[in-house]
Amino acid sequence: GIQVEQSPPDLILQEGANSTLRCNFSDSVNNLQWFHQNPWGQLINLFYIPSGTKQNGRLSATTVATERYSLLYISSSQTTDSGVYFCAVGNTGFQKLVFGTGTRLLVSP
Amino acid sequence: DTAVSQTPKYLVTQMGNDKSIKCEQNLGHDTMYWYKQDSKKFLKIMFSYNNKELIINETVPNRFSPKSPDKAHLNLHINSLELGDSAVYFCASSQDLPTSGREMVLTQYFGPGTRLTVL
Repeated sequence: GIQVEQSPPDLILQEGANSTLRCNFSDSVNNLQWFHQNPWGQLINLFYIPSGTKQNGRLSATTVATERYSLLYISSSQTTDSGVYFCAVGNTGFQKLVFGTGTRLLVSP
Repeated sequence: DTAVSQTPKYLVTQMGNDKSIKCEQNLGHDTMYWYKQDSKKFLKIMFSYNNKELIINETVPNRFSPKSPDKAHLNLHINSLELGDSAVYFCASSQDLPTSGREMVLTQYFGPGTRLTVL
């Protein structure tokens, strides 16, 4: 099955810094989503982005499907950005998502 | 106005017992899912239902049985609980939008999770 690798596994930032999280996948996809799991465990969908670029406030994401990777950019990070960021991909008709192992982000004040 | 809700939030039980987790979504979505997140935070899909029909059934012990009474509800029943079943179980839902002239969006929305502890 499709493999999903995320890097870095852990990231520590000072408040206000920018960061880039990467997701590599082993096969072509027709579904790619980024999620944030906050420290209370809630999973929030950030982007549905199987290709192209999207922006939402301080967050933006770019997927280059032909090269099998996606990037999540966080600008001017805040302590509330802390948590685990997951990339999840799918390449079947049944909306099955395969999750990466996540990037654990800690933003300190 | 919770979009995807699960009950209970916490479940502590003894090995060998049978338990159920309930999920409801008020988003009008057609597809619902169960995921398991282990102690290392790894998330893996277990089941998916579309309009009450099972469409994804991953390699899950048959002690786990999902049931969808209607498209807004997807419950998970677990028989003969084992220590290894301890995890957080998430329900999620998604909807295909009409494709004519519009992007098909498969965004998945997750419930708050149920933390199951088997003693």
